[in-house]
Amino acid sequence: NAGVTQTPKFRVLKTGQSMTLLCAQDMNHEYMYWYRQDPGMGLRLIHYSVGEGTTAKGEVPDGYNVSRLKKQNFLLGLESAAPSQTSVYFCASSYSRGGRYNEQFFGPGTRLTVL
Amino acid sequence: SQQGEEDPQALSIQEGENATMNCSYKTSINNLQWYRQNSGRGLVHLILIRSNEREKHSGRLRVTLDTSKKSSSLLITASRAADTASYFCATWSGGSNYKLTFGKGTLLTVNP
Repeated sequence: NAGVTQTPKFRVLKTGQSMTLLCAQDMNHEYMYWYRQDPGMGLRLIHYSVGEGTTAKGEVPDGYNVSRLKKQNFLLGLESAAPSQTSVYFCASSYSRGGRYNEQFFGPGTRLTVL
Repeated sequence: SQQGEEDPQALSIQEGENATMNCSYKTSINNLQWYRQNSGRGLVHLILIRSNEREKHSGRLRVTLDTSKKSSSLLITASRAADTASYFCATWSGGSNYKLTFGKGTLLTVNP
């Protein structure tokens, strides 16, 4: 089991460029999440999905779009990157949304710099 | 908005000592979780404690939960250099809420 994988690991963009971050999980989890982590801010939820074909906004969704066409994949898109989107992005998945089984499994992260 | 707030922000101890980190939260919860993050890596789940539990153990980890004070503590006994990491608490409020709310973390450094 690879768990949760993220592609790419590092990326440098210029302001206005677009890119897509790919998250894949092989645990058959229904729930998937995208977070960003900034110094002194902890983790903030960008978007999440409760199943194939569904997406929903988190705390900081502006400037990002997501898609969940297949259960195992969750894509995060930046249509027009801004320096404020410089961050480390983490994908996570979980078996259930709550109770004793809502432990989240995290990917290794993507470090994105927008110049 | 941050639900959990860890205290202290940073902690430095010697190998073999115990490390205690605290987490306070604002609203009622269904469960509280602790995660570890090694430098440059993703978060790893350590332990989950439900709102009707007061204490839980896992290996060298001991977690307590006081719902009346809206606080939790994570104790790592006999610390090792490999325990050096950031530790985050995360709360789930239950119901139809899908979100885990993370605190800002405590950076633990264990000196050999």
